[in-house]
Amino acid sequence: EPEVTQTPSHQVTQMGQEVILRCVPISNHLYFYWYRQILGQKVEFLVSFYNNEISEKSEIFDDQFSVERPDGSNFTLKIRSTKLEDSAMYFCASIPGHIGGYTFGSGTRLTVV
Amino acid sequence: AQSVTQPDIHITVSEGASLELRCNYSYGATPYLFWYVQSPGQGLQLLLKYFSGDTLVQGIKGFEAEFKRSQSSFNLRKPSVHWSDAAEYFCAVALTTDSWGKLQFGAGTQVVVTP
Repeated sequence: EPEVTQTPSHQVTQMGQEVILRCVPISNHLYFYWYRQILGQKVEFLVSFYNNEISEKSEIFDDQFSVERPDGSNFTLKIRSTKLEDSAMYFCASIPGHIGGYTFGSGTRLTVV
Repeated sequence: AQSVTQPDIHITVSEGASLELRCNYSYGATPYLFWYVQSPGQGLQLLLKYFSGDTLVQGIKGFEAEFKRSQSSFNLRKPSVHWSDAAEYFCAVALTTDSWGKLQFGAGTQVVVTP
């Protein structure tokens, strides 16, 4: 069964550093998402991406965040200057065009120290 | 505004007993509803989903959920709980109008299974 792949599974970074979280969505999917889950809290929407542009972003997704799909396969989330409060599990998801195909990756645990 | 409510933050259940997790939503259009399970430090595993049709949905691991439009609910049930069902359970609603495909999650219910 096709999977959404996220790398790395765990990343530790120093405060103020830039990080890039990588995702490879399922190949025929059209809509892409990033979600965040701070430890012990619920999963929160960050951003949706369709047709090579951001469809919607949440209040969390400020100027420190950016997404891109540089080569038609990877879908990346960049945090320009990490803060302690960015420590969380980040999930990538994709859908083919109908919501029935919603698929999450296994997540990247980001720890900012 | 759309919202998803899981009224129970924490539920303790004995192994072999039945389990019901509540989920209520507030959303004007036809909802697309999901239940996910998450073990500590792990990703989200889809248990089941509802889009239309039969309001009783069967999922994996012996779980089922019933959509009740009149009550705006989508409660998850399992007739006999196993120790391996101890985890956090999230209800989610997919928005299909102005925020197409965006999932809104409930706060989660932590399930503890006692011997």
